[in-house]
Amino acid sequence: DTGVSQDPRHKITKRGQNVTFRCDPISEHNRLYWYRQTLGQGPEFLTYFQNEAQLEKSRLLSDRFSAERPKGSFSTLEIQRTEQGDSAMYLCASGGGNTIYFGEGSWLTVV
Amino acid sequence: KQEVTQIPAALSVPEGENLVLNCSFTDSAIYNLQWFRQDPGKGLTSLLLIQSSQREQTSGRLNASLDKSSGRSTLYIAASQPGDSATYLCAVSYGQNFVFGPGTRLSVLP
Repeated sequence: DTGVSQDPRHKITKRGQNVTFRCDPISEHNRLYWYRQTLGQGPEFLTYFQNEAQLEKSRLLSDRFSAERPKGSFSTLEIQRTEQGDSAMYLCASGGGNTIYFGEGSWLTVV
Repeated sequence: KQEVTQIPAALSVPEGENLVLNCSFTDSAIYNLQWFRQDPGKGLTSLLLIQSSQREQTSGRLNASLDKSSGRSTLYIAASQPGDSATYLCAVSYGQNFVFGPGTRLSVLP
């Protein structure tokens, strides 16, 4: 499979726990994005990497959120001290040319 | 603030009808505009990409138009089929980032 892969696909966690999502982009793409999507809404931008450099972060990305792309390949998104409001689908996308390609998303439910 | 809106929020049509989905954006200084399809619980699939210098793009039964000056785009779907049922999202690029609309949920009834 040469598309964007995300893991895990589903995560249920208790409030206050930390969770980490992984994204493996399309191998030749140097741009990587994280978005968050809640039911009935379009995706909201969280952060963007060009290779290993994190070039842009949304105000939505509070200090409990951290994203890394250590070698310019895969990326991780960690949420610390999860809150019920963090329940959403977290989408990763990688960029080639003028378009971006999305993974299937990681669903997070905080109980 | 860069905002993208889409109307209608939901649309239900009988199979075979032609239909138009609308997208509006507040900041016309766009790089490009893209239409995506999203099936329930899934990621997004790119349908059409229109560069800021283009007026329209076509792929099969889909045609997307762009009017930068008025901040509008439309997605035209011809001869709709039940398999077209999904949420259609408009996304506007102002550089490396994409700003998404809330989507139009389409149901095509057999």
